[in-house]
This record gives sequence, structure tokens and C-alpha cells, in this order.
Amino acid sequence: QVQLQESGPGLVKPSETLSVTCNVSGVSVSRYFWSWIRQSPGKGLEWIGYIYHSGTSHHNPSLRSRVTMSVDPSENQFTLNLRSVTAADTAIYYCVRWMSGTYFDSWGQGTLVAVSS
Amino acid sequence: DIQMTQSPSSLSASVGDRVTITCQASQDIKKYLNWYQQRPGKPPKLLIYDVSILGTGVPSRFSGSGSGTEFSLTISSLQPEDFARYFCQQYDDGPFTFGPGTTVDMK
Repeated sequence: QVQLQESGPGLVKPSETLSVTCNVSGVSVSRYFWSWIRQSPGKGLEWIGYIYHSGTSHHNPSLRSRVTMSVDPSENQFTLNLRSVTAADTAIYYCVRWMSGTYFDSWGQGTLVAVSS
Repeated sequence: DIQMTQSPSSLSASVGDRVTITCQASQDIKKYLNWYQQRPGKPPKLLIYDVSILGTGVPSRFSGSGSGTEFSLTISSLQPEDFARYFCQQYDDGPFTFGPGTTVDMK
């Protein structure tokens, strides 16, 4: 049974980089595609991007290339970095398994990241 | 981007009621439509994928239909654990987008 658990900073200052890591258990990160999705009261659910262990990735153009994603098979985890954050990036960040290029079937509990000075 | 809209934004219903939520896409997304349920304080949970296929462990009182730009989620007999928020999501074209959600609360 796949389990995902995010770990994040809780609070990030404007213009800095937000970094959230997802620890995966029950399956190898090398077997699937993984995504990041965030949820804020103002913007609802927003897909951030996906990544495969090979390095293949794609992100939402709305984030204007502020996004970097990586996979670490040795630690069975993957990471999201979002640069130059503003208050608009305040949200709950979820790591999610993207099954068969079709649906998001396993979600972490989410980590709330607030952007504030 | 493909815009997803849902109606109603919220509804009140009673246990045992039949409930239908609709989702509209701004362009033809064929059958590339999923539904999720989110309870307060929890992450979304996959309910239905590819318009009408139930996710693992999802009760048969949930069903989905539609194609193109118009889709619906039906709960045939509402149960206490079904009071939640429901989202549709398209994956026909990137970026993947979600509807704003429909809250089902107790009448």
C-alpha cells in the first residue's frame, strides 16, 4: 500500500525558495509518475507539475519556470522547489501519485506552507 | 488552459437522497475526466476516473457519466460519510485543471 508524507518549512519569506519533500513508502519512486498539487482558498486545487525518476518532468506554465522537481530513488522521495515565492504561493502542498498518466490515486496528507515576512 | 466549472457550488441534502453534480469543460475533453471527494481536513480522494470507472474501494452508489464538455457525478442514496466537497478534474490537455468544487452538506 503506497503512503506519501510531505515535509515542509511551514513558513517561507517572500522572494525565497519553498522546498517540500515527499517521502514515499510501500512502492518504489522509480516505478511511477509523481505530481505536486496545491490548494488555497483563493485558487482551489492547482496542479503544479509531474516528474518521473528519469528526470522527465512538466510543470504548470502559470508558475513561470519557478518550479524545479527532482526524484531521489536512493531515499525513495521526491522534492518540489518553488523559487521567488509571494503571498499567492501560500497553500497546502500535496504530493500525489499520478497513475497511468490518468488520475491522481494516492495523496499525502498535505503540508501547509505560508509565505510571510 | 481548459476551464472547469461545476454546479451547483453547494447543495443541501438528506441521507437517502439522490444527488447529482454537474461539471462543464470549456472545450471538448472527450472522456478524460476524473472526480474526487474531499472531507474537511483531509486530502482529496479519487472517486471516479475516465468519466465512469470507480476507484478502488469506492461504493457503487457513486456513478459518473458524460462526454465532451458535459459530465455528471451521481450519488444514488446519500450516506452520512458522503457529506463532503467534490471536484472534477480534466487531463485531456495540460495543464491539468480542477473544477472549483461542490459542497454537499446536510439539510
